[in-house]
Amino acid sequence: TQLLEQSPQFLSIQEGENLTVYCNSSSVFSSLQWYRQEPGEGPVLLVTVVTGGEVKKLKRLTFQFGDARKDSSLHITAAQTGDTGLYLCAGALSGGSNYKLTFGKGTLLTVNP
Amino acid sequence: DADVTQTPRNRITKTGKRIMLECSQTKGHDRMYWYRQDPGLGLRLIYYSFDVKDINKGEISDGYSVSRQAQAKFSLSLESAIPNQTALYFCATSDWTRIYGYTFGSGTRLTVV
Repeated sequence: TQLLEQSPQFLSIQEGENLTVYCNSSSVFSSLQWYRQEPGEGPVLLVTVVTGGEVKKLKRLTFQFGDARKDSSLHITAAQTGDTGLYLCAGALSGGSNYKLTFGKGTLLTVNP
Repeated sequence: DADVTQTPRNRITKTGKRIMLECSQTKGHDRMYWYRQDPGLGLRLIYYSFDVKDINKGEISDGYSVSRQAQAKFSLSLESAIPNQTALYFCATSDWTRIYGYTFGSGTRLTVV
């Protein structure tokens, strides 16, 4: 059983469209992070959310942590070709080691020109 | 120079051979991790170390061993490589606070033939 379920698994859109990807679990997390991974490279941290209901914005990206700290979403406004990549969520279980993250399988986003 | 450096970037080896993947970091982080990434399976934790004297097994440690030679160096060994160890391997580091997330290396693509 996957602790963190990401959906959709694949997403292909046109430049300028909006999109939302999801990260869901039945477990409670003390913090949750989003990473973007480009081909041939390691994941790069985008944001960390720690408070239930928290919303963070990074330019055209909006991240939300669910009130119960079991889920998160990433919304991209007016997607650009440079947003193409694998988006991974990762969480530290509440009550567990904060420094050992569990990763979802990722959403592979392709933004077409 | 990159914060987390992995060598080699690519390696092809034969079944039964012993191989070592190396990781060094300039972040000054105490915690270091080895993950493997497979299509459809995501990132899975092999081993992690919270300091030089503290090494722990992850979810898929069988067939692997590690050595933390110094705070900045963490190597992963495959004692007798087998084809299903063909994967992308990542080293990552983190500090004591969860806020800053993991810093990943660029990965080693290992093929066992």
